[in-house]
Order: sequence, then structure tokens, then C-alpha cells
Amino acid sequence: SSELTQDPAVSVALGQTVRLTCQGDSLRSFFASWYQQKPGQAPVLVVYGKNTRPSGIPDRFSGSRSGNTASLTITGAQAEDEGDYYCNSRDTSGDHWVFGGGTRVTVL
Amino acid sequence: QVQLQESGPGLVKPSETLSLTCAVSSFSISSGYHWGWIRQPPGKGPEWIGNIFHSGTSYFNPSLRSRVTISVDTSRNQFSLKLTSVTAADTAVYYCVREAYDILSNWGQGTLVTVSS
Repeated sequence: SSELTQDPAVSVALGQTVRLTCQGDSLRSFFASWYQQKPGQAPVLVVYGKNTRPSGIPDRFSGSRSGNTASLTITGAQAEDEGDYYCNSRDTSGDHWVFGGGTRVTVL
Repeated sequence: QVQLQESGPGLVKPSETLSLTCAVSSFSISSGYHWGWIRQPPGKGPEWIGNIFHSGTSYFNPSLRSRVTISVDTSRNQFSLKLTSVTAADTAVYYCVREAYDILSNWGQGTLVTVSS
């Protein structure tokens, strides 16, 4: 079982805002990274660290952390934002990595 | 931009050993960072398998540790994964990754390995 917990699914109306959450003890010590995955493709890093987006990722994606919970916010969701989103961080030992079970985002 | 490319058999028989190699380009493994493997069973989330530093220091997922070997070949700028005694539960897309500080910064495109007789 994952040491990071995510909601299985969420839906958002086109142009609206949605927040995905990821809970786990390791997040008190380590920032989460967030990946977007579309069918048949490798995961793509969208946010990492305190709130950093890799080059090419739209600024509607943002990250935050409070206590043991990390959040990914999509502000003004677009149809192309549909997919599975996974959070990831080091585990509490710092030597291993863990993933959340993923959240499927549907844009209505 | 560093690039990673997995290669190896797409079909492995039950009880045999799964072997994959990751070729790294545009960056020398000897320069640093950890290099690792992640897998994703069909319809499920990713699972970290383990990693290795260029010096050979490695860490493994406790649930797989007894069956996993990761090695590095700095002369060929590549690293490899061996998973022994495979079963159908090991069927997955296997990705190689570069770990940069606290992020899995670069991923290969992934390769599907099916365990079946």
C-alpha cells in the first residue's frame, strides 16, 4: 500500500479550479513532486519543490504544502489537463521513494 | 538535456530473471546523481524499485530487495536492473530515472515487460 494517500478521482468544470491533495508523514520533511500521466505515456513532472514548474508547464499548475499534506492546484482547468496525477516524495528515511495511488482528473 | 532509454526483452517466462538496461546520453553517470528504476503495473500507480550511485551504493524497495540487483557500467554510461523469480505480478512498464536531489527529474520512455509462459 502507498505511504502517500490521494483521492482516487475528481472532476472539474472547464475553466474552474481544482485542488488535488496528497497526505503522508514524509511530507513533513520532504516536498512532494507531482506528475501528470496520460494513457500510454510516461509521467510528466508538473510541479516540484516548494512550488516550481519545469520549463514548458503552464502557470495554471501550482503546488503547496501544509503539515503532512501537499496540494496541487489547477487554476482554470483545460481539457488537456485530464489525466492521472501522482504525487511522490522520499520516504521518512530519506533513502527510498514513495508514490501516491494517483488521482484521475476529469474535466467536464 | 539528459536522455534515458530502456532496453531488454519484452517477454519473460515465470520463475526466470528479468533483465533491463538503461542507456544514458548527454550526461556522464560518473558525474553524480542517483540512477534508478520504477515500474508501473497496468492500471496501477508507479512503484519505486531501487537506485544506484556511480560508486555502486544502492538502495532498494524493501518489498523487492531480495529479488533485485542494480548495477552500473560507467564505461558504457549505462545501468541495469535484474529481477529474479518473476511472476505475473511483475508485469509492468519499467522506467529508468535520474534522481536529482529530491526529485525524479528525468525519465525514460518506459518499456513493457510481460511475464507469461
